[in-house]
Amino acid sequence: QKEVEQNSGPLSVPEGAIASLNCTYSDRGSQSFFWYRQYSGKSPELIMFIYSNGDKEDGRFTAQLNKASQYVSLLIRDSQPSDSATYLCAVPGSARQLTFGSGTQLTVLP
Amino acid sequence: KAGVTQTPRYLIKTRGQQVTLSCSPISGHRSVSWYQQTPGQGLQFLFEYFSETQRNKGNFPGRFSGRQFSNSRSEMNVSTLELGDSALYLCASSLKDLYNEQFFGPGTRLTVL
Repeated sequence: QKEVEQNSGPLSVPEGAIASLNCTYSDRGSQSFFWYRQYSGKSPELIMFIYSNGDKEDGRFTAQLNKASQYVSLLIRDSQPSDSATYLCAVPGSARQLTFGSGTQLTVLP
Repeated sequence: KAGVTQTPRYLIKTRGQQVTLSCSPISGHRSVSWYQQTPGQGLQFLFEYFSETQRNKGNFPGRFSGRQFSNSRSEMNVSTLELGDSALYLCASSLKDLYNEQFFGPGTRLTVL
């Protein structure tokens, strides 16, 4: 089992809708979780991070953690075409490495 | 505050050559990590440096090496280049370690012919 797994998509949502992205992780002891956005041809940009003590909201973005089921989700409210990108989930692993999922490609349709 | 910078941005080499890539972290950041990104393998961890010491290394052959200087700037070197080394090489810096937020540079696109 991979340490961090994401559905590769593509995920398409209409403009204004809520986009929901999920990430599962294998290390039950993981304490922090990061979401990156990567536009085509660009480097990853950190958009959200949460720690195991709770969910977090930042503008249109909400990160939620379900420790029992070992997944973390990213919700994007009022999706915009500019949100179209690949979203990468990252989790510090037991070997002191930041392990990335393969990413979910999101397309927001005007 | 300036972001992470990487040089060069693009590089074309031939098989068997070696290459050195450079990364300057955000001011005050002491941890520098290197990643390789390819369409097939995604983002893979190469190594991490802190205070001039390699703290961790990913599962890459010994042809991949790196170092960090006293000003936290880092370089990575790939010797005896192979076609499969063609990738986007990304550097990320953080304050202390991977449990803090990591900020990526723009990357160096390496093409091996």
